Amino acid sequence: QVQLQESDPGLVKPSQTLSLTCTVSGGSISSGGYYWTWIRQPAGKGLEWIGRIHTSGSTTYNPSLKSRVTISVDTSKNHFSLRLSSVTAADTAVYYCARGGTSGIASDFDYWGQGTLVTVSS
Amino acid sequence: DIQMTQSPSSLSASVGDRVTITCRASQSIISYLNWYQHKPGKAPKLLIYTASTLQSGVPSRFSGSGSGTDFTLTISSLQPEDFATYYCQQSYSIPYTFGRGTKLEIK
Repeated sequence: QVQLQESDPGLVKPSQTLSLTCTVSGGSISSGGYYWTWIRQPAGKGLEWIGRIHTSGSTTYNPSLKSRVTISVDTSKNHFSLRLSSVTAADTAVYYCARGGTSGIASDFDYWGQGTLVTVSS
Repeated sequence: DIQMTQSPSSLSASVGDRVTITCRASQSIISYLNWYQHKPGKAPKLLIYTASTLQSGVPSRFSGSGSGTDFTLTISSLQPEDFATYYCQQSYSIPYTFGRGTKLEIK
């Protein structure tokens, strides 16, 4: 059974860089050709797809965040990471990592982490 | 971006009831529509993908239908463990987008 677990950065100061890691257990992150994905949900708002990384290393980002987002993968540690720069209060949200399907399109998310709350505040 | 509109935003129902949640896309997404169940503090769970295919292990009381812009999730006979928030998600184009959710509460 694949399981995903987000790290817990807690509080991030405005203008700084938010860094999160998602550790995958129950399977190798480099096998299967999946898209490893980040999604977030601000309080009282809907879910927002942030971006993804394929096991090949190729990335795709939400255009609304593209200038500030970097997603990377470390196969030796079986985890993938999110960096979001120049954060503001609007980036306060629960952040989820998820596994997307092997097709480049038509991607559902069949495994998710429980989510971690990141608060941007001084 | 494709906008996904779910209705209702909340719903009160009783165990044994039949419940239908709708999701409308701002443009045709063919059948690239997925449904998730989310309980507080838990990981969201994929229920249905490509509009009507039941994810492995999901009870058969859940079903999905629709194509183009209009989709429905139906729970044929509510069970106590079904009270949660449900989201639709389009996987037709990037950026993938979600509905705002339907909170299903016990009457």
